[in-house]
Formats: sequence, structure tokens, C-alpha cells
Amino acid sequence: QSVLTQPPSVSGAPGQRATISCTGSSSNIGAHFDVHWYQQLPGTAPKLLIYGDNSRPSGVPDRFSGSKSGTSASLAITGLQAEDEADYYCQSYDRSLSAYVFGGGTRLTVL
Amino acid sequence: EVQLVQSGAEEKKPGESLKISCKASGYNFPNYWIAWVRQKPGRGLECLGIISPGDSDTRYSPSFQGQVTISADKSVTTAYMQWKSLKASDNGIYFCARMTGVTTTGWFDTWGQGTQVTVSS
Repeated sequence: QSVLTQPPSVSGAPGQRATISCTGSSSNIGAHFDVHWYQQLPGTAPKLLIYGDNSRPSGVPDRFSGSKSGTSASLAITGLQAEDEADYYCQSYDRSLSAYVFGGGTRLTVL
Repeated sequence: EVQLVQSGAEEKKPGESLKISCKASGYNFPNYWIAWVRQKPGRGLECLGIISPGDSDTRYSPSFQGQVTISADKSVTTAYMQWKSLKASDNGIYFCARMTGVTTTGWFDTWGQGTQVTVSS
């Protein structure tokens, strides 16, 4: 069981918007530790998508955005494309565990 | 170009030892923490620990303390993870990743390609 909770799957049609939630607690997201997001295409290593709650590394399209409120964070993907089909993970730090923690991952399907 | 290149897949028996590597290039190796992250089949990601190659300061996630040893050699810009006695539960893909930012708020901006570790009798 992951410290950060994500829905196992989300889906959307091409061109639509998808949102992935990441729910934590007062010892991680609620303690104001930054949330980061990663995209993992099948058979490849994770790739940084969002860092510091809502910043994009160079090369990541602005269709991807992050937000945070209270003990939760969200990743939004607008204008869904077939190439967005992947697993998405949130990550933060947990002060009670003294460890970097990930969500269980969400499989995005573009219908 | 910042790159992390990991050693190849390993097949071992329970009780055997193993050391896998992560060769860094394209940046000042001592200045960035390196993390080791495990992915078990069909499951999510778990961080085993991090190391600062500059001074070898190493921090293990409590779940993995005593289970693995993380090290680094500045002279060859390489980080390592080793097991003294493998168990079947150590099966998985192990990624190294460069961490950027302050330790507790840092993010993993560059990842190695992963090393598959298979432990089976």
C-alpha cells in the first residue's frame, strides 16, 4: 500500500482533459513538501513531468500542469493525445517515514 | 547531455551477492545526490535510499536500512548498490536517478535505463 494514493486508472478521449489525483497526509503533502510527477511509458524508465508542484522541465508540453491544495495534488492533461498513454506517478517526501514516497501509479488510457 | 547508464540484467540465486552500477556523465557528479528506486513487477516505485557522491553521505529509507548498501566512487563517476545475500523478494527493476533541489523537496530529473534483477533458485 502506497503512502500517496492515486486512482489505478483514468481514461479520456483524444482532445479531452484528464485529471489524476494524488492524496497524501499531514506528514507529506500537507506538511508543504513539494509534489513531483513522472510519466512512465511501457518498458521505459520514468521521466520527470512536473516538479515543485507546478513547474515543467524544458521540453514538456504546456498541456501538462500540476496543482496542490492541502493534503492533495493533481496532474491535469489537456488535449489528450494517443502518445499520452502511460503510467503516471506522484512523489513527495514524508517526514514521519524520513523517506521519499511515491503514489501507486495511475494508468492513463486514451480511448 | 546528462546521462546515467546502468549495468546489465542479472540472474542470481537466493543467498548470492550482487553489486549493480550507475555510470554518470555530462554533469558535475559530486554535486548531485543519486537515488536508487525499485519497481517490482506490475507495481509502483519505491525509493531505497540516496547518496551524495561528494562526501558519501548516505540516507536509507527505513524499509531498506540494512537490506542494501549504497556507495559511490567519484573517480569513476559511478554509484553502486549491493546486496550481501539476495532473497526472492529482491526481484525487480532497479533505477538510479539524479536528484535536483534540496534533499527533502528534491525531484528526480534524470533516470538510468534500469537494471533487471532476477533472484530464483
